[in-house]
Amino acid sequence: DGGITQSPKYLFRKEGQNVTLSCEQNLNHDAMYWYRQDPGQGLRLIYYSQIVNDFQKGDIAEGYSVSREKKESFPLTVTSAQKNPTAFYLCASSLGTGAGETQYFGPGTRLLVL
Amino acid sequence: GQQVMQIPQYQHVQEGEDFTTYCNSSTTLSNIQWYKQRPGGHPVFLIQLVKSGEVKKQKRLTFQFGEAKKNSSLHITATQTTDVGTYFCAGYSGNTPLVFGKGTRLSVIA
Repeated sequence: DGGITQSPKYLFRKEGQNVTLSCEQNLNHDAMYWYRQDPGQGLRLIYYSQIVNDFQKGDIAEGYSVSREKKESFPLTVTSAQKNPTAFYLCASSLGTGAGETQYFGPGTRLLVL
Repeated sequence: GQQVMQIPQYQHVQEGEDFTTYCNSSTTLSNIQWYKQRPGGHPVFLIQLVKSGEVKKQKRLTFQFGEAKKNSSLHITATQTTDVGTYFCAGYSGNTPLVFGKGTRLSVIA
């Protein structure tokens, strides 16, 4: 069954701790994305990767880091430098980043930092 | 950078009423996509528009792309409770990945 998986669904952390969110896809897509969603703010792009071992900053990359060592995996680390990390995080993938590429989203991870 | 504005932010309608959300880009777009996110869920692709003035229909949903390829709209005829959710437009202009609007959250009162 093809798709994108994100784990865990809910994540609780203490302030000051780094936390890594998982994103895996078996769609054989080259491009992967991380978005942050806050109420009333829509989808804000954190990082994206067009190919293995390469990634680009999005609009709100500060306080986050990513890696793309495998085509299927694009983990996101929320570092202690992120001042307001509590949010809903969505991972997505697409065949490429060109025109007409549909993005497929995972179920998301809700991060709550106490 | 490229910006995509979407209005209204919220819309409450009685079941059976029509609903429209509008999307405007600061730059000319190559294409525009629409996504729907159900409450508690994740965005799901609905449709893509590419040509100037293009109109596409999916049952009660009508999507339009403006002549100048800088605006778009989604119209739902006779809303149903299953239409509840947030509708996002997303524009592509060639230089960056898709840019999403902030979405319109639709509530339908039965």
